[in-house]
Amino acid sequence: EAGVVQSPRYKIIEKKQPVAFWCNPISGHNTLYWYRQNLGQGPELLIRYENEEAVDDSQLPKDRFSAERLKGVDSTLKIQPAELGDSAVYLCASSTGTGLVGYTFGSGTRLTVV
Amino acid sequence: QKEVEQNSGPLSVPEGAIASLNCTYSDRGSQSFFWYRQYSGKSPELIMSIYSNGDKEDGRFTAQLNKASQYVSLLIRDSQPSDSATYLCAVGFRYNFNKFYFGSGTKLNVKP
Repeated sequence: EAGVVQSPRYKIIEKKQPVAFWCNPISGHNTLYWYRQNLGQGPELLIRYENEEAVDDSQLPKDRFSAERLKGVDSTLKIQPAELGDSAVYLCASSTGTGLVGYTFGSGTRLTVV
Repeated sequence: QKEVEQNSGPLSVPEGAIASLNCTYSDRGSQSFFWYRQYSGKSPELIMSIYSNGDKEDGRFTAQLNKASQYVSLLIRDSQPSDSATYLCAVGFRYNFNKFYFGSGTKLNVKP
């Protein structure tokens, strides 16, 4: 079974430029998460999807971040415009959504904004 | 106030020793508890889950949960250099089971 697939693996952009990250969850996993992890910190939730519905986006900086999950499968997270403080690892995770099993994380995208 | 707290470490133990990692959480109604291992430059990997008070063993790993005291711990027996990583505690809170709060992690160094 393929795991959670993310791309790109690394991205370096100049500030004020747009950037997008893509995630394909494990087949059958209805719940998809985008987390951001700063160096030396634990992951922090940005947005959670149940199928195609965003059910928790309270931590998403909506002035510059957007996300979508069309057809309840793949998801894209976008930042526009990027700021220096957005440099972090962006992790996608998926689960069956019962809350009683842990997430499976993708390999993450390391974003550097210069 | 952080919902999930861990000592950042580093915790250094000699090879073959028992490593003890601790985590406290704020919501007394929390239902699910997880330990993730994260190697440098890699994504977190689930290694243990526990839901009931007491101990749960899986190979060299034992998770311990005490809901009355609101802490969960991870013991690693016969520590190996390959166990050197950051260990993240994650907690599923009462009102939002599908949302896990992560601690900042404890860095473990196992010295040969």
